[in-house]
Amino acid sequence: GAGVSQTPSNKVTEKGKYVELRCDPISGHTALYWYRQSLGQGPEFLIYFQGTGAADDSGLPNDRFFAVRPEGSVSTLKIQRTERGDSAVYLCASSLRDHRDTQYFGPGTRLTVL
Amino acid sequence: GESVGLHLPTLSVQEGDNSIINCAYSNSASDYFIWYKQESGKGPQFIIDIRSNMDKRQGQRVTVLLNKTVKHLSLQIAATQPGDSAVYFCAERLYSGGGADGLTFGKGTHLIIQP
Repeated sequence: GAGVSQTPSNKVTEKGKYVELRCDPISGHTALYWYRQSLGQGPEFLIYFQGTGAADDSGLPNDRFFAVRPEGSVSTLKIQRTERGDSAVYLCASSLRDHRDTQYFGPGTRLTVL
Repeated sequence: GESVGLHLPTLSVQEGDNSIINCAYSNSASDYFIWYKQESGKGPQFIIDIRSNMDKRQGQRVTVLLNKTVKHLSLQIAATQPGDSAVYFCAERLYSGGGADGLTFGKGTHLIIQP
């Protein structure tokens, strides 16, 4: 079956702009995660959804970052007033039920803030 | 803070040889460990996992060893192939309720397979 998909694959924006990144989890997966990966580093946890609700958003760096999952499937990560330091690959993962299950990752969205 | 780390950033091995990638963790509350493989331009791909009540687990050509006494995790890849070239990350998860529900990743080891 289809894996986790993310769109766009690349996003270039200017400092101060607003961006939205989309994640389509594996069909039937209840849990969804967002991570951020800087060059040469491992992924860093941002937020975890259990169904429609954010069960853990402790990894979001500041209030410019926000994520939603209104119907418990597709999720959108929103970044306001982008800064050059936000440039990274944003990864989405999903797991079958909750955070105790194996997480499967999408290909990521490479965000570049000029 | 406590985090997962790796001993070597780059490991070069001959095709056909066995590879061992090491990982040190410092959080004794972690109960679940995973190895991911990441090829250039792709997301991390699940390889194998192990729970803290085990010390060894085998998959196809891969073995994960967990030594809780010294907080050490290793990934052994048998008979390495060119397709094994990638960055390998170990990740840990804190015991449920003990912290963030996401995984904590190390910085990764770049495995290079020499022909």
